[in-house]
Order: sequence, then structure tokens, then C-alpha cells
Amino acid sequence: TQLLEQSPQFLSIQEGENLTVYCNSSSVFSSLQWYRQEPGEGPVLLVTVVTGGEVKKLKRLTFQFGDARKDSSLHITAAQPGDTGLYLCAGAPYQTGANNLFFGTGTRLTVIP
Amino acid sequence: GAGVSQSPRYKVAKRGQDVALRCDPISGHVSLFWYQQALGQGPEFLTYFQNEAQLDKSGLPSDRFFAERPEGSVSTLKIQRTQQEDSAVYLCASSIQGAYYGYTFGSGTRLTVV
Repeated sequence: TQLLEQSPQFLSIQEGENLTVYCNSSSVFSSLQWYRQEPGEGPVLLVTVVTGGEVKKLKRLTFQFGDARKDSSLHITAAQPGDTGLYLCAGAPYQTGANNLFFGTGTRLTVIP
Repeated sequence: GAGVSQSPRYKVAKRGQDVALRCDPISGHVSLFWYQQALGQGPEFLTYFQNEAQLDKSGLPSDRFFAERPEGSVSTLKIQRTQQEDSAVYLCASSIQGAYYGYTFGSGTRLTVV
């Protein structure tokens, strides 16, 4: 089992604050993705990181892939109510023929206006 | 189509009833995946198709679960003799090829077994 643990599980912050969500595993992944899911909808892909140590920025969101390709973080600067949702990390196993993603346990973020 | 389409959006089934959930992937996407998502949890892998071939069904929880994609496009997930523990959101996703660059998900089917 390629378990991905996310922390924190729940996060409630005021608008304008910064936050970081962590995604950790003992397994190595060929790529790691972050999704955001809103109630009643499927997850929506935010970013894919593929190189150890890679950092990607998407407006106020910064994503980092660990050097060992086992962990990742998502940092949001100046959070807004529209950032509210369930954030999921997902890893593609680093093995030949593996084609499915393993999803993390999720972080539910609430940004209070 | 422009996105992944799933139907029905909601399904209420009596325990013991059979159900069929449909997924219409993005045109041209070779890979199709089914996931099960319990309330407040991350999605859990059920099965994977490449074109019409079911290459991995290791996540199907029992032999009551069956999936097919006969012509390499639309897929159906069938659950026989539904039980209360089958209540969940069933998500379908497609990709051009494999999982490496990520999926496009449908909105899911919420199944409630009463």
C-alpha cells in the first residue's frame, strides 16, 4: 500500500493568513499531483510535480516536491474564501506498469472572510 | 465532450438491488479509472482501463463489483446485490495516457444504499 498522509486534516483560518499543507509517504513517486475538490464535485487538478526538489508556483499557491520524491507541500499565501475546499495530494507509483494514482487522506481548508 | 460526464448524479438503491453507473470520458482519452470516495476521505482506486482492456482491477472490493468498457470509450461500473457499505461517491477519471500527468475527474455518482 502506497500510503500518503496529509497534515493537518482540518484547517480553519482567517482571510489573508498564510498556510502550509503537508503530504508525506515512505514510498517514492514518479510524479505527485495536487487536487482541490469542492462539495458535490470531482477533484480538479492544480499541479503536477515530477522532479525531486521541484518548486512550482500558481498565483498564490506554491508547490514543492521533496528531494527524495516521497513528500510534498502546498503553501498558500494570503488565503481567500475562494480557496476553501478539500485539498488532496496524489502520487503515481515509481514502478513499471503502474498507472493508478494513490490519494492522500485530504486536508479540509476553510477560509473565513 | 469537453469533460468527463457521469450519470446518474445521485442514486438511491434498496439493499440487494443491482445498480449501474455510467462514465463518458473525454474523447480520445485512452486511460479510464474508477475510484470510490467515502465521506471526508480521499478517493480509493477501484479499477483501470486502457482502451477496452481492463489492466488492473485490484481495488474492486468484492466480486459484486464489475466494470466494463467494451468499445474503449464509455464505461459502466456495476454493483450487484448492493449493501450499505457500498454507499459512497463513485468517481470516474480519464487521461490521455496513464497517471503521470494527472486525471480529469467527473462530478461523481453519489450512491446511497438504504
